[in-house]
Amino acid sequence: QVQLVQSGAEVKKPGSSVKVSCKASGGTFSSYAISWVRQAPGQGLEWMGGIIPIFGTANYAQKFQGRVTITTDESTSTAYMELSSLRSEDTAVYYCARAPRYSSSSGYFDYWGQGTLVTVSS
Amino acid sequence: EIVMTQSPATLSVSPGERATLSCRASQSVSSNLAWYQQKPGQAPRLLIYGASTRATGIPARFSGSGSGTEFTLTISSLQSEDFAVYYCQQYNNWLLFTFGPGTKVDIK
Repeated sequence: QVQLVQSGAEVKKPGSSVKVSCKASGGTFSSYAISWVRQAPGQGLEWMGGIIPIFGTANYAQKFQGRVTITTDESTSTAYMELSSLRSEDTAVYYCARAPRYSSSSGYFDYWGQGTLVTVSS
Repeated sequence: EIVMTQSPATLSVSPGERATLSCRASQSVSSNLAWYQQKPGQAPRLLIYGASTRATGIPARFSGSGSGTEFTLTISSLQSEDFAVYYCQQYNNWLLFTFGPGTKVDIK
């Protein structure tokens, strides 16, 4: 059974950075892709970017280009999402999610982390 | 970027009735379309992938159809646990995914 367990809630000042982790268990970490999806309070789901651990190459939504960095540590089956230059509008729940295979027909998310609330406030 | 739209924004349905939700893509996504259900305070749950394949453990009352740019999620007979927000997601462009804005299904 695959599980994605995320790090705990964060409170950050505007202009700072946050790094959220997502530790996977079950399955083979290098055989699937991990994405990060965020949800602002009362809003919808927003895909931020994703990475294929075995290749280590990340892709980002245009909106977040230059501000987000997604990485993985295969030795601990952990993915990370770092968002910089935080502003109040970045206050949201951040989810990691797994796509079961790195192929164009398998980009749906079958497992999700529990979510991490990031609050940006002065 | 492929833009996804969903209609209606809110759907009011009585328990036992049929619900039909629509999702449209700004360009063809073939059958690379998924549907998710989200309840308050919970992570989304995968319902449908490949436009029409139910995910593991999803009841048969949920069905998906469509291809190209027009998609439909049908809930044949709404149960109390089905009142939630539903999102569609395209994954035709690998690692350039987008979600629709969601449809809230509430009790009439």
